[in-house]
Amino acid sequence: QKEVEQNSGPLSVPEGAIASLNCTYSDRGSQSFFWYRQYSGKSPELIMSIYSNGDKEDGRFTAQLNKASQYVSLLIRDSQPSDSATYLCAVPRDNYGQNFVFGPGTRLSVLP
Amino acid sequence: NAGVTQTPKFRILKIGQSMTLQCTQDMNHNYMYWYRQDPGMGLKLIYYSVGAGITDKGEVPNGYNVSRSTTEDFPLRLELAAPSQTSVYFCASSYSPHSTEAFFGQGTRLTVV
Repeated sequence: QKEVEQNSGPLSVPEGAIASLNCTYSDRGSQSFFWYRQYSGKSPELIMSIYSNGDKEDGRFTAQLNKASQYVSLLIRDSQPSDSATYLCAVPRDNYGQNFVFGPGTRLSVLP
Repeated sequence: NAGVTQTPKFRILKIGQSMTLQCTQDMNHNYMYWYRQDPGMGLKLIYYSVGAGITDKGEVPNGYNVSRSTTEDFPLRLELAAPSQTSVYFCASSYSPHSTEAFFGQGTRLTVV
């Protein structure tokens, strides 16, 4: 059974700071990883995807993947109050990727 | 482009009643999923489908049934509703879950009393 773990938080950072969100997974065969943002009362929306070791940057967001250590992280630079949400890490369930398993999510609060 | 559409948005059921949550997508995705999300928790997979006529159980299928007669529609049936089924239900679809994102509907908030 594949597991995805996250620190549930809440993680509080001041506006303008870097927020660091972490996710660990149990299946060494996992090949793709997704970060979703979920505002309270809303549905999840994709923020980043990453498939290779290293960093992937998209605007203020950077995803980092380390397959040897089985963790993936999301950095948010220049955090804004509008970034306050729950961030979900998702990993395809098996090598054929027929569905996703989600971590419990980390609640981020950016303080003005 | 509507994406993934779920109905209803809210529903209150009495214990023992049944209902169907509707889900439709217009992106021609083969893969569709039903998740439930309890307060402060992540998403738990109920059922999924890899194409019309093909469905399979996820992590928490008990008390639910699904069908997939067309590519577009993936309804979720609750039989004999129980308080433990109080949750927010999300339908999602994807082209290929291994390499592309899942698109989510707006969710159905269900309360069983």
